[in-house]
Amino acid sequence: NAGVTQTPKFQVLKTGQSMTLQCAQDMNHNSMYWYRQDPGMGLRLIYYSASEGTTDKGEVPNGYNVSRLNKREFSLRLESAAPSQTSVYFCASSEQSVTDNYGYTFGSGTRLTVV
Amino acid sequence: GEDVEQSLFLSVREGDSSVINCTYTDSSSTYLYWYKQEPGAGLQLLTYIFSNMDMKQDQRLTVLLNKKDKHLSLRIADTQTGDSAIYFCAEISTVRGFKTIFGAGTRLFVKA
Repeated sequence: NAGVTQTPKFQVLKTGQSMTLQCAQDMNHNSMYWYRQDPGMGLRLIYYSASEGTTDKGEVPNGYNVSRLNKREFSLRLESAAPSQTSVYFCASSEQSVTDNYGYTFGSGTRLTVV
Repeated sequence: GEDVEQSLFLSVREGDSSVINCTYTDSSSTYLYWYKQEPGAGLQLLTYIFSNMDMKQDQRLTVLLNKKDKHLSLRIADTQTGDSAIYFCAEISTVRGFKTIFGAGTRLFVKA
């Protein structure tokens, strides 16, 4: 099915471990995004990529890095996981530019627990 | 700061209309959105409205935008149990460099 695919769906890490969350979209969208969702706080933007070859910080980038590997793939890396990074992570993509955005297509999320 | 605010819970009976409200603070918002999130899933775009529109209707969904009061609402007619979900209001904030800002979500309970 066309859409945004995230892997893994679930992950438990120990404090200090590293991991990479993978995201791929097959809709030929230009822009891709990483959000985290915490109870009662809506979604907060971690990083985004307006187009292939560019990445920019969002609202809460500390502790994360990203790579826009190609037009399809946008990965999120936690170098040294902390309990505060326990969250649900969503990848999203959009066809239009950052300023003209008719809405996002979201992946199904990665539920990350850091112990 | 520039925030999007929603009430946390709404409970309605099956067959009634649901109205979910949202207020925002960025008066220069260009697009406003409603998303639906079912348990264990990602957000699904329901509809969006341009800031120069007052109303948009799509089947059972009606979006009303009051720019003067910075108020957005989503009305679901003939609410069904399958409409039970969390509904997120969002805007593109020009103040925040065209980032999309999400509210915390309204959890809709539909009682049979």
